[in-house]
Amino acid sequence: EAQVTQNPRYLITVTGKKLTVTCSQNMNHEYMSWYRQDPGLGLRQIYYSMNVEVTDKGDVPEGYKVSRKEKRNFPLILESPSPNQTSLYFCASRHSGPEREQFFGPGTRLTVL
Amino acid sequence: QKEVEQNSGPLSVPEGAIASLNCTYSDRGSQSFFWYRQYSGKSPELIMFIYSNGDKEDGRFTAQLNKASQYVSLLIRDSQPSDSATYLCASGGGGSQGNLIFGKGTKLSVKP
Repeated sequence: EAQVTQNPRYLITVTGKKLTVTCSQNMNHEYMSWYRQDPGLGLRQIYYSMNVEVTDKGDVPEGYKVSRKEKRNFPLILESPSPNQTSLYFCASRHSGPEREQFFGPGTRLTVL
Repeated sequence: QKEVEQNSGPLSVPEGAIASLNCTYSDRGSQSFFWYRQYSGKSPELIMFIYSNGDKEDGRFTAQLNKASQYVSLLIRDSQPSDSATYLCASGGGGSQGNLIFGKGTKLSVKP
């Protein structure tokens, strides 16, 4: 089944404790992206990657890191999480070209205490 | 700042009626437009995309695009309670390095 997977789906952590949210897709997509979604603010892009070893900042990159060492994986790293990073996070992927359908992962609900 | 604007709603329609959702975009270079449906706490799910001016129909859904007015709409015929969700409009293909620009969504409520 073609899909984007994320792990963990739910995470409660404490301020300053490094964490990684994994994202993997099995559709051989070149483009991958991370979003956060907060009430009243909609989907905001954190980072995106056009292909392996190519990443770039989105609209809200502060406090996050990403890497793209393999085409299928695009982990999101929070080196020192803070309470304002409590949010619902989505990974997405698609083939190159903005006209192509973008698929979303199931989401990760993160709470930072 | 390239933007996609949507009325946040909530838009309330009775079951069986036509729901009309609207969106405007600021980037004249945008070439592709998408409508996603999102249930509370779930991930966005693509329901329609449109690239050309005019109408595109898929079952109970019709997307309409007017590039001159920079306006996109989604019509849902014979609305069902299961259509109750937030609908996100997105544009792509403009000057945003291929990234989709999302509106904040319109919440639709279909009353039985």
